[in-house]
Amino acid sequence: GAVVSQHPSRVICKSGTSVKIECRSLDFQATTMFWYRQFPKQSLMLMATSNEGSKATYEQGVEKDKFLINHASLTLSTLTVTSAHPEDSSFYICSARPTDRASAGELFFGEGSRLTVL
Amino acid sequence: EDQVTQSPEALRLQEGESSSLNCSYTVSGLRGLFWYRQDPGKGPEFLFTLYSAGEEKEKERLKATLTKKESFLHITAPKPEDSATYLCAVQGVGTYKYIFGTGTRLKVLA
Repeated sequence: GAVVSQHPSRVICKSGTSVKIECRSLDFQATTMFWYRQFPKQSLMLMATSNEGSKATYEQGVEKDKFLINHASLTLSTLTVTSAHPEDSSFYICSARPTDRASAGELFFGEGSRLTVL
Repeated sequence: EDQVTQSPEALRLQEGESSSLNCSYTVSGLRGLFWYRQDPGKGPEFLFTLYSAGEEKEKERLKATLTKKESFLHITAPKPEDSATYLCAVQGVGTYKYIFGTGTRLKVLA
């Protein structure tokens, strides 16, 4: 149980285009999902917290107009990198916390998406 | 400010050579401490949750322990397949955020 599917796993795009990454909780509902960015040999940097049915909460320094987050249902959150540039190339990972186990606190992660902007 | 520090940064062990990874934390009221394993190019895989000092959890060759200031991940008789980065995270009371450490990169040599 507690499987999070993230798609695509790898994407290469041209500078100036937009890329959408999907994060689905397959066997549980998640009111809250988190989006992270990870640089080589570094830990997870929280970008934003996505709450179903409401606006995402962005961390300081993260441009909300560049990284659009939508959490339309209890099992799906999407991250759209708009007008991507080479500096946006990174490993993006989503995580979800089961709503019915909010008190337990565990986060379950997707497999990650490697974005390369040419 | 909530903080998590993991040590060592990297660790090389011979197969069968037991060792421990450290996670020191500072948080204003601990809600939970979490251990994850991350393989290269993959998302973290959940291992353990610890809630209070004195608590211990085990899974195969791994055992996690918790005190009021730190947690240890003990690896007994490791195998090459245990090679990965091990991440520690904490969540404080009254916050939705999780603070992650920078991880320990473990390499187990055959």
